[in-house]
Amino acid sequence: DAGVIQSPRHEVTEMGQEVTLRCKPISGHDYLFWYRQTMMRGLELLIYFNNNVPIDDSGMPEDRFSAKMPNASFSTLKIQPSEPRDSAVYFCASRVSGGPYEQYFGPGTRLTVT
Amino acid sequence: GIQVEQSPPDLILQEGANSTLRCNFSDSVNNLQWFHQNPWGQLINLFYIPSGTKQNGRLSATTVATERYSLLYISSSQTTDSGVYFCAVEGGGATNKLIFGTGTLLAVQP
Repeated sequence: DAGVIQSPRHEVTEMGQEVTLRCKPISGHDYLFWYRQTMMRGLELLIYFNNNVPIDDSGMPEDRFSAKMPNASFSTLKIQPSEPRDSAVYFCASRVSGGPYEQYFGPGTRLTVT
Repeated sequence: GIQVEQSPPDLILQEGANSTLRCNFSDSVNNLQWFHQNPWGQLINLFYIPSGTKQNGRLSATTVATERYSLLYISSSQTTDSGVYFCAVEGGGATNKLIFGTGTLLAVQP
């Protein structure tokens, strides 16, 4: 299996621009998670989906952030407008339902907002 | 919510040495994972170990769920073991949320 795929791997953008991060979960996994890693806050869950439906978005920092999962093999995390404090590494993870509960992480997208 | 504490916060080893990393958690868990974040930032799954003991080469892990801790053992360390080791748990009534510890920064010197 190819594992969780994320793109782009690196993104540099200017403040105010829209940023879209993409994720393809492992085939057959019906849970998808978006995490963010910063020096100040460590690794934290932003939102997760089950069967393409957002279940818990309580970790999304503010309305500038949105996430979608139009089908079982694709999800996006969008930031509009971006700000320098959004600079972080964004990880996508997936797992199967019913156990085991092990989550598999993608390589991450390193976002820099100048 | 559930709290996760890792120790030590950082560790320097000479190549070939052994080490033990600890993860304490504050509630019952249905998922516990150990990760290695390499210098390139990738999170590598080491173990899925909500209870019991597992071994994979030079690495092994033990979780004592009743006492709410997990240990990661690294034997005969190599420079490629350098990086940050994270423990992450899911439980305490908050399902599907992996809560990460603050990590142990390991540096293995040649």
